[in-house]
Amino acid sequence: DAGITQSPRHKVTETGTPVTLRCHQTENHRYMYWYRQDPGHGLRLIHYSYGVKDTDKGEVSDGYSVSRSKTEDFLLTLESATSSQTSVYFCATATSGIDNEQFFGPGTRLTVL
Amino acid sequence: SQQGEEDPQALSIQEGENATMNCSYKTSINNLQWYRQNSGRGLVHLILIRSNEREKHSGRLRVTLDTSKKSSSLLITASRAADTASYFCATDGAAGNKLTFGGGTRVLVKP
Repeated sequence: DAGITQSPRHKVTETGTPVTLRCHQTENHRYMYWYRQDPGHGLRLIHYSYGVKDTDKGEVSDGYSVSRSKTEDFLLTLESATSSQTSVYFCATATSGIDNEQFFGPGTRLTVL
Repeated sequence: SQQGEEDPQALSIQEGENATMNCSYKTSINNLQWYRQNSGRGLVHLILIRSNEREKHSGRLRVTLDTSKKSSSLLITASRAADTASYFCATDGAAGNKLTFGGGTRVLVKP
């Protein structure tokens, strides 16, 4: 395993509340990614980071923000959670952007009531 | 929209049989990757094939790539019950620093 942990692993929250998911890696990988996985949609990229304080939007970034203040941590924040954000969220890392073999965390199951 | 689309969406085979799944994509790529996801777990990288390669092997896995048809196939030979999982193809874009995943093929290998 590439030493990627996600916290929390499960969370139930209410509509309108802020939620922050954390991804922590011990591999010193430069790239980090947040995906959401929903039935019928596969994995969709939310945001990614190509270095400390360097982030960019993915396919489904609306309603999400990210921060990366140090190499090992990548935070995903839902400012005001909605039921459509109920999903399983995966963090991934990669050493480089060339081949981009990605290593995935175990996932966080988020339920927004 | 998804760059890669897998076919079939689901596949059920007996242990010992071969499993073949296909991936089609829309735009030019630098490489195509295949990942496996066991139920309730994160994805695990299986194999990467570059755009200038046509075939690649890794253990019981064989991947082909046809860039003229924008398609790839993953063959798992002599399947085992432990191969039961979802399999995803992923393609990089022009920038190369992010992947787009297909919807996956669910494979059930019956003992």
